[in-house]
Amino acid sequence: DQQVKQNSPSLSVQEGRISILNCDYTNSMFDYFLWYKKYPAEGPTFLISISSIKDKNEDGRFTVFLNKSAKHLSLHIVPSQPGDSAVYFCAAQVGGSNYKLTFGKGTLLTVNP
Amino acid sequence: KAGVTQTPRYLIKTRGQQVTLSCSPISGHRSVSWYQQTPGQGLQFLFEYFSETQRNKGNFPGRFSGRQFSNSRSEMNVSTLELGDSALYLCASRREVQETQYFGPGTRLLVL
Repeated sequence: DQQVKQNSPSLSVQEGRISILNCDYTNSMFDYFLWYKKYPAEGPTFLISISSIKDKNEDGRFTVFLNKSAKHLSLHIVPSQPGDSAVYFCAAQVGGSNYKLTFGKGTLLTVNP
Repeated sequence: KAGVTQTPRYLIKTRGQQVTLSCSPISGHRSVSWYQQTPGQGLQFLFEYFSETQRNKGNFPGRFSGRQFSNSRSEMNVSTLELGDSALYLCASRREVQETQYFGPGTRLLVL
């Protein structure tokens, strides 16, 4: 059973426009969510995170929104740049003594010049 | 500060062999986690070590094992390799278990 789902395998946007990447989860025990970006032949790079006590977190061009009732989070990139083209992974973890990360399968974002 | 390093970066093995992968965490990080990435399954958690003790384990067979040394460096071993073990193996470290994980570049394993 996949607890973290990224239903869009790919997304293509124009440079300067907004990119919206979506993620759904099923485990209500998740209390911390992260987004990682991955280029080919490199490891994932941490991008931004959000605690379940918040509904929004912003860092420069990147904003993550969390809707706990819908078990849904999204990553907004504004404005999108060609260098943002990468695979984006959504991840979630349960606090307490676990802190194990569960990843979605990723969304390939392509930003066209 | 140097990032997470993994050796080797690429490896080719044949079925039935065993392999050992190495991970050096960021200085000061005591937790090391291992993940397997395949096209079909995405990133799957293998196990996490903290201060030389295994804290968490994913749903992988006993052929997959690991250990952590007193300097926080970690090794992962896969015995009796199968074709399906071909994957990118990623290591991630964090200072404490509740903090953000930082990933290494991975080891690409090909089993023939």
